[in-house]
Amino acid sequence: QQQVKQSPQSLIVQKGGISIINCAYENTAFDYFPWYQQFPGKGPALLIAIRPDVSEKKEGRFTISFNKSAKQFSLHIMDSQPGDSATYFCAASVEYGNKLVFGAGTILRVKS
Amino acid sequence: GAGVSQTPSNKVTEKGKYVELRCDPISGHTALYWYRQSLGQGPEFLIYFQGTGAADDSGLPNDRFFAVRPEGSVSTLKIQRTERGDSAVYLCASSLRKGGDTQYFGPGTRLTVL
Repeated sequence: QQQVKQSPQSLIVQKGGISIINCAYENTAFDYFPWYQQFPGKGPALLIAIRPDVSEKKEGRFTISFNKSAKQFSLHIMDSQPGDSATYFCAASVEYGNKLVFGAGTILRVKS
Repeated sequence: GAGVSQTPSNKVTEKGKYVELRCDPISGHTALYWYRQSLGQGPEFLIYFQGTGAADDSGLPNDRFFAVRPEGSVSTLKIQRTERGDSAVYLCASSLRKGGDTQYFGPGTRLTVL
């Protein structure tokens, strides 16, 4: 059972543009929502994370927007750069530090 | 300091063989997780250790899969009678403690079962 649905599967953005990746979840017990970035041949690396008590969190060019009533959250990458080209995964867990349930991933390509 | 390391980086085996995959967590991290990532998919949880004990093994697909962490540091994932469907990247992650810390992932072991 896929508990976290991620879209789109792939995304092409021009340098300097905004990349937006969306995720929806089913389990209302989830209370920790991280985004991971993965480069080819590497393991996923934490990018940014949010708890459901806030609707938005920003770290540099990366912003998570969270809509608890809709059970959706999204990643916005502002001023996208070619170095941001990677696969992005949303994830969720019941309790921070517990096992993560991942989305299927979005392959982002930023064209220079 | 050093991150999570996994060995081997690649493993090719024949159907029916036994394999062991090793994970060295970040020093001092008490929590250790194994995930499996199939091509084009997100990682899927297999098992979680807190110290030496398996606190949650609900993700292990069947009894061919087993993992140990005898001294609370290094962990080994063991797969018996491998099948072609076991081919995937096996990822290990560690965190300082459960319930309040980021999971740091290793580079994974790519397992190919011929």
